Amino acid sequence: EAGVAQSPRYKIIEKRQSVAFWCNPISGHATLYWYQQILGQGPKLLIQFQNNGVVDDSQLPKDRFSAERLKGVDSTLKIQPAKLEDSAVYLCASSPGGAGGATYEQYFGPGTRLTVT
Amino acid sequence: AQSVTQLDSQVPVFEEAPVELRCNYSSSVSVYLFWYVQYPNQGLQLLLKYLSGSTLVKSINGFEAEFNKSQTSFHLRKPSVHISDTAEYFCAVTFTGGGNKLTFGTGTQLKVEL
Repeated sequence: EAGVAQSPRYKIIEKRQSVAFWCNPISGHATLYWYQQILGQGPKLLIQFQNNGVVDDSQLPKDRFSAERLKGVDSTLKIQPAKLEDSAVYLCASSPGGAGGATYEQYFGPGTRLTVT
Repeated sequence: AQSVTQLDSQVPVFEEAPVELRCNYSSSVSVYLFWYVQYPNQGLQLLLKYLSGSTLVKSINGFEAEFNKSQTSFHLRKPSVHISDTAEYFCAVTFTGGGNKLTFGTGTQLKVEL
């Protein structure tokens, strides 16, 4: 089966510009996650969707970050305006179960490396 | 709240030598534990997981980890490493009823040398 797809793979922007990332999860996976991985750190969850509803966005900087998952399939993450500290790899993951489901394995995409100058 | 500590940021080891990557967690409730591996310029791949049952879990490529509840640890071991094992390894935890939200450690860079 196809894995989690993300685009673009790399993006360089100047601070105060906007940027959007796209993610297509594994077919049939109900839950979708966006993580931010800053160099030298582990991934940090930004937002979790179950189908097209938000389960957890407690660590999403809502003043500049937004995400949506229309129709419960693919998702976009947007940053507007970007700051230097947003330079990171943005990882998308999906899992088959719902938020309270029996399966806990998450499948990750290759990530989008964002550099803000 | 849950937390994960990976004390070793880098572990250099010679090929065919054994290795242990340490992971300790903190949680007041029952946990599920994972090791993910990240090769350069790639996403994370699940290496192995502990959900319940036997405390010793194994991967298909020779890694194993043991869940130790009393020491709140989930150390990753391999008796003989290969050059291809060079990667970054992340320990992660989630907990029952936690909505499958993963908390990751800061990662350990395993560098296998000839």
